[in-house]
Amino acid sequence: SQTIHQWPATLVQPVGSPLSLECTVEGTSNPNLYWYRQAAGRGLQLLFYSVGIGQISSEVPQNLSASRPQDRQFILSSKKLLLSDSGFYLCAWRTTGGRTTEAFFGQGTRLTVV
Amino acid sequence: SQQGEEDPQALSIQEGENATMNCSYKTSINNLQWYRQNSGRGLVHLILIRSNEREKHSGRLRVTLDTSKKSSSLLITASRAADTASYFCATDEYNFNKFYFGSGTKLNVKP
Repeated sequence: SQTIHQWPATLVQPVGSPLSLECTVEGTSNPNLYWYRQAAGRGLQLLFYSVGIGQISSEVPQNLSASRPQDRQFILSSKKLLLSDSGFYLCAWRTTGGRTTEAFFGQGTRLTVV
Repeated sequence: SQQGEEDPQALSIQEGENATMNCSYKTSINNLQWYRQNSGRGLVHLILIRSNEREKHSGRLRVTLDTSKKSSSLLITASRAADTASYFCATDEYNFNKFYFGSGTKLNVKP
């Protein structure tokens, strides 16, 4: 069966420090991978998506970057965190092949930048 | 562009009542999905309706889609306290890769 792992669950980082959040998927090949950010009590903002290794599309200009070094690994990074980077970060995957399927989400990482 | 706006933003009902939440989107879609999020957790898929469908049922859930109005509604019948959560609609853009969520409706079902 397919599973998705996202860690850490919570993170408190000082302003200006680097960030690395990792997401891995098991039980599927060549998934589409997504990073979303959710502000408190708000909707999900699509940050990045990837359709294959090394292929990253960015939705909004920001202080973050993403990488996909392996088929089932998706990493969200920042060189220097800002206070505005605080939020709930969610990783998700879905299969494609020209048809719509449901998305499966990790449990999220709550990031607080202090 | 991001798309999908739900209303109401928040809904409070008594157990046993029906809950209706609406979603509007901006561009043409292939289909629309609804998800549920318990507080502080990841999202869980509820139901998918394709652009050529008008209504779909799954247990106590009923979803409608009106592509002419670019809107969808989710009805939860005979609500339970366990239905308390946030509900989001999600849409694909044409190439199936981008996947956008709406702003969500926070449902509180009082026992």
